Amino acid sequence: AAGVIQSPRHLIKEKRETATLKCYPIPRHDTVYWYQQGPGQDPQFLISFYEKMQSDKGSIPDRFSAQQFSDYHSELNMSSLELGDSALYFCASSSLTSGGSTDTQYFGPGTRLTVL
Amino acid sequence: QKEVEQNSGPLSVPEGAIASLNCTYSDRGSQSFFWYRQYSGKSPELIMFIYSNGDKEDGRFTAQLNKASQYVSLLIRDSQPSDSATYLCAAHNAGNMLTFGGGTRLMVKP
Repeated sequence: AAGVIQSPRHLIKEKRETATLKCYPIPRHDTVYWYQQGPGQDPQFLISFYEKMQSDKGSIPDRFSAQQFSDYHSELNMSSLELGDSALYFCASSSLTSGGSTDTQYFGPGTRLTVL
Repeated sequence: QKEVEQNSGPLSVPEGAIASLNCTYSDRGSQSFFWYRQYSGKSPELIMFIYSNGDKEDGRFTAQLNKASQYVSLLIRDSQPSDSATYLCAAHNAGNMLTFGGGTRLMVKP
C-alpha cells in the first residue's frame, strides 16, 4: 500500500539559511500534519491542514510556515534556521472524510534536518 | 506536567514474556488513543488505536482503556527481540493533533 512520502530524507543547512520540506500524503487522504522530533524527545505537533486550509496550530515558530496545495501535498518552509531546529521532521496524513470511527494518522519516513 | 505520561524505561523483558506498557493522560476530553512503535531514527509506526473502555486485541497486542482512571495500556504477548523499540502512547483530543507521551523504551532479551 502507498505510504506517506517525504523529501528530502536528509538535509544539511547552515545557520540563518532557509529550508523547504515536502510531504505527499497517502492517496485520498485529505489531512496533513507536521511534527518535529528532537533527539531523545517525543514528536511535537507543529501544524495541520485539512482540505488545503490550516486546521490546527501547535508549537510552530513564527520563522516556519506551511501550506497544503490543491493536490494535497504540503510544504513546510523554515527560515532563519537555528541550531536548535536540528531534528527529525515527520509528516503524517489521515482521512477525515472517510467516515471511519477515528482519525488515524500514518507517518512518513521523516526528513532529518541538520543545521550547522 | 505533560498531558500524556509514560515511564521512559527501559523496560526489560525476556523473550516470550508479556510486556506491559502503561500510559496516563490528564485531559478528560481526549477521545481516542494510539500506540505507535518507533525504532531509533525511524518514523512512528501505528500498532493500534482504542477509543472505547475495555480491551481491544490485535494479534499479539492488546490495548486497554480505562477512561475513569485516565489510563491506557498496551500488552505485548510472546515478546520477541524484534519488538525492542520505543513505544509511544498518543492522545487525540480537541482538534486533530496527537499529543504524545515521552515513550517507553522496551528491550526484549533473547
